[in-house]
Amino acid sequence: SAVISQKPSRDICQRGTSLTIQCQVDSQVTMMFWYRQQPGQSLTLIATANQGSEATYESGFVIDKFPISRPNLTFSTLTVSNMSPEDSSIYLCSVDVGLNQPQHFGDGTRLSIL
Amino acid sequence: GENVEQHPSTLSVQEGDSAVIKCTYSDSASNYFPWYKQELGKGPQLIIDIRSNVGEKKDQRIAVTLNKTAKHFSLHITETQPEDSAVYFCAAQEAGANNLFFGTGTRLTVIP
Repeated sequence: SAVISQKPSRDICQRGTSLTIQCQVDSQVTMMFWYRQQPGQSLTLIATANQGSEATYESGFVIDKFPISRPNLTFSTLTVSNMSPEDSSIYLCSVDVGLNQPQHFGDGTRLSIL
Repeated sequence: GENVEQHPSTLSVQEGDSAVIKCTYSDSASNYFPWYKQELGKGPQLIIDIRSNVGEKKDQRIAVTLNKTAKHFSLHITETQPEDSAVYFCAAQEAGANNLFFGTGTRLTVIP
């Protein structure tokens, strides 16, 4: 399976600021995804990061709040914009290497907003 | 959309006993069902998965069963060990789709 690295692993931010999270994979992958896991909760898909085109967002998530880039097949970024305490969560990157292949996750970015 | 329910939310077992976690799903179009283990401070790790053309799959101490008619699937861990303590998530995926719908998680504690 692919090795997925996320940076930063954790951060504490002031409300109103923005943070960009990076996801790097050690091999080319077809699909990259961004999930949110609120404290003690399950995982919710934010968006699918499409290489060379705009990300596909799930209901309840918008590009202005969570802009995503995917410049190539091994790298993606998620920005959490204009943060508020409600954005305190773990943000997880996942990948799958092809159709009908399982998704594998990075260790996440633990974000706290004061 | 798909709705996945997971029970129990917490489970404590004695070391060496078996643990069973159950999930139900709502969308009959779902055909792929992975299970993830999440340890503290880590991301979810895939431990086993099953597709809808199979009723049961086993990997050493871990097994998953699927009942398509009833739309439920279960994770079975035998001979539990303290290192099995973690949060376990089930998920379901529709055919041809990329989105995984996750259950609410089960916190398993194995008591030495």
